[in-house]
Amino acid sequence: ETGVTQTPRHLVMGMTNKKSLKCEQHLGHNAMYWYKQSAKKPLELMFVYNFKEQTENNSVPSRFSPECPNSSHLFLHLHTLQPEDSALYLCASSQDSSNHYGYTFGSGTRLTVV
Amino acid sequence: AQSVTQLGSHVSVSEGALVLLRCNYSSSVPPYLFWYVQYPNQGLQLLLKYTSAATLVKGINGFEAEFKKSETSFHLTKPSAHMSDAAEYFCAVSSPPNTPLVFGKGTRLSVIA
Repeated sequence: ETGVTQTPRHLVMGMTNKKSLKCEQHLGHNAMYWYKQSAKKPLELMFVYNFKEQTENNSVPSRFSPECPNSSHLFLHLHTLQPEDSALYLCASSQDSSNHYGYTFGSGTRLTVV
Repeated sequence: AQSVTQLGSHVSVSEGALVLLRCNYSSSVPPYLFWYVQYPNQGLQLLLKYTSAATLVKGINGFEAEFKKSETSFHLTKPSAHMSDAAEYFCAVSSPPNTPLVFGKGTRLSVIA
């Protein structure tokens, strides 16, 4: 039990589909993050939310659309993805943006685009 | 700009041998530094962190790391490897400390019986 829950664990979608990834934390944290993990690449920061407000978009294509309705939930809406978007998508949370305590990660969603 | 270099994408050690995983960072201001471990099909778990207190940091599972400013290094060590230590290890930097973590490419540790 990591405290950060991601669903689904696995997702296969076609390039014309629309799907959403969900992340939920019950740690009382105020900052949440989406990272993309591809084989043989460093983790890539995608989005940062601090107290529900987006504070960073790391030049992510518009086919990825984040949503943070409250400090406990974070979504990543996907549409018209490309095969190169196949990766492990990791959600993380932290007490705040000071990073003093580091991040708590979820187990990720393994996305395959066909 | 901050960055992290992990030397060696794959390290193999015998059970009971010393584990040494190398991490060098680049930053213009004093950083926060982290080591995470990732087991197959799981997320990343925090092993230890340096946030400007003691330079020798002890973490979970017997791991420790030493912050050396002069060498811009934060190498991870464990005196005696266990089979259960086999995993992917990631070094990360936050500099200045209120900026999102930047991760290295990771080092896969194999432990041979």
